[in-house]
Amino acid sequence: DTAVSQTPKYLVTQMGNDKSIKCEQNLGHDTMYWYKQDSKKFLKIMFSYNNKELIINETVPNRFSPKSPDKAHLNLHINSLELGDSAVYFCASRLGGDPDTQYFGPGTRLTVL
Amino acid sequence: KNEVEQSPQNLTAQEGEFITINCSYSVGISALHWLQQHPGGGIVSLFMLSSGKKKHGRLIATINIQEKHSSLHITASHPRDSAVYICAVRSAVGGTSYGKLTFGQGTILTVHP
Repeated sequence: DTAVSQTPKYLVTQMGNDKSIKCEQNLGHDTMYWYKQDSKKFLKIMFSYNNKELIINETVPNRFSPKSPDKAHLNLHINSLELGDSAVYFCASRLGGDPDTQYFGPGTRLTVL
Repeated sequence: KNEVEQSPQNLTAQEGEFITINCSYSVGISALHWLQQHPGGGIVSLFMLSSGKKKHGRLIATINIQEKHSSLHITASHPRDSAVYICAVRSAVGGTSYGKLTFGQGTILTVHP
């Protein structure tokens, strides 16, 4: 009964490739997020969708494109991967209102060689 | 300088010790979160605070809005408490802003038996 799931868990790829990470939540939440955690464990928000609509778009290279086919799914597509894209990417979801708790997926460790 | 600063960055304790992790922030906030990241990588929300104090088992979180400061305390620490503890704030600017979080750099806690 995984609440927020991500696939794949590990992704190893060459520079220049295009890859996607998928996220699904079965909590009925309205808002979903993508976060990037760097090698120093620092988390930073990348994107957020509310009911399939993009509401937060931080300063992220436009090689990163989120897509939300429905409010239970938020996928992240990355074009022309670079070494600096290596990180752990976390998906999260939130119902909205109070309590304002975010539920995180298990993370996808991306390694770009 | 990061908008959210945690101290200490690394903390080592003996089992049974009382532990305090501090978080200071420089922006107006509507809520503050404490998160725990297990050695396996999963992130769990521990508390959300907008004022006062909350307690859950051996964990206590406090916040002082005027001083822009929060603390996470662990009583009777145990090796299973070893994890990264992350403070995150939800900015008050622009309303609730769909729960956009800004993170501290995390505190790595190691509790030895």
